Amino acid sequence: SQQGEEDPQALSIQEGENATMNCSYKTSINNLQWYRQNSGRGLVHLILIRSNEREKHSGRLRVTLDTSKKSSSLLITASRAADTASYFCATDDGGATNKLIFGTGTLLAVQP
Amino acid sequence: DAGVIQSPRHEVTEMGQEVTLRCKPISGHNSLFWYRQTMMRGLELLIYFNNNVPIDDSGMPEDRFSAKMPNASFSTLKIQPSEPRDSAVYFCASKSGEDNEQFFGPGTRLTVL
Repeated sequence: SQQGEEDPQALSIQEGENATMNCSYKTSINNLQWYRQNSGRGLVHLILIRSNEREKHSGRLRVTLDTSKKSSSLLITASRAADTASYFCATDDGGATNKLIFGTGTLLAVQP
Repeated sequence: DAGVIQSPRHEVTEMGQEVTLRCKPISGHNSLFWYRQTMMRGLELLIYFNNNVPIDDSGMPEDRFSAKMPNASFSTLKIQPSEPRDSAVYFCASKSGEDNEQFFGPGTRLTVL
């Protein structure tokens, strides 16, 4: 399947540290997105990177994409306790459909 | 805008009962998605609609599941009869035609006893 695999599955860091999460996928894509899910809530879109982009920034977020390795990383700098959540990557199927395939997620815990 | 609205937020039912989950997408969005999330299988796409028409229902687990979108502002996901293995959080999401970002509702936590 196209489903992305994310690692690590869980990550615990101290406030102020940086957090890096990785995502791998299997087939060609048009773009890759990252979403955050707080406990008991729906997913919230964070950032989108297109297949012809290599790096993108949004506030404290930095996303990289390596299409040759079919992988992406999400870096959260200067983490805060409020960043505690699960983070998912999502890819399209490389075609013209609206489908997103979500990864398995990384559970990030930021200790105050 | 109130965002994507789902009801009920929680549903507890007994095996064999019919369950209906409801979703109101964001006004102006023309695509609607139903997902199921469990610890074991993660987030799975069940079905999605474009302009109220079902486009891909390959993720619907079996004939007990059905989804409808009678108009642009309302969709239902029905499970009949329900089974304990259907217990999960069901999310509805919507998006506009121009954007790739999907907007998720708060989910319905379903427990089938």
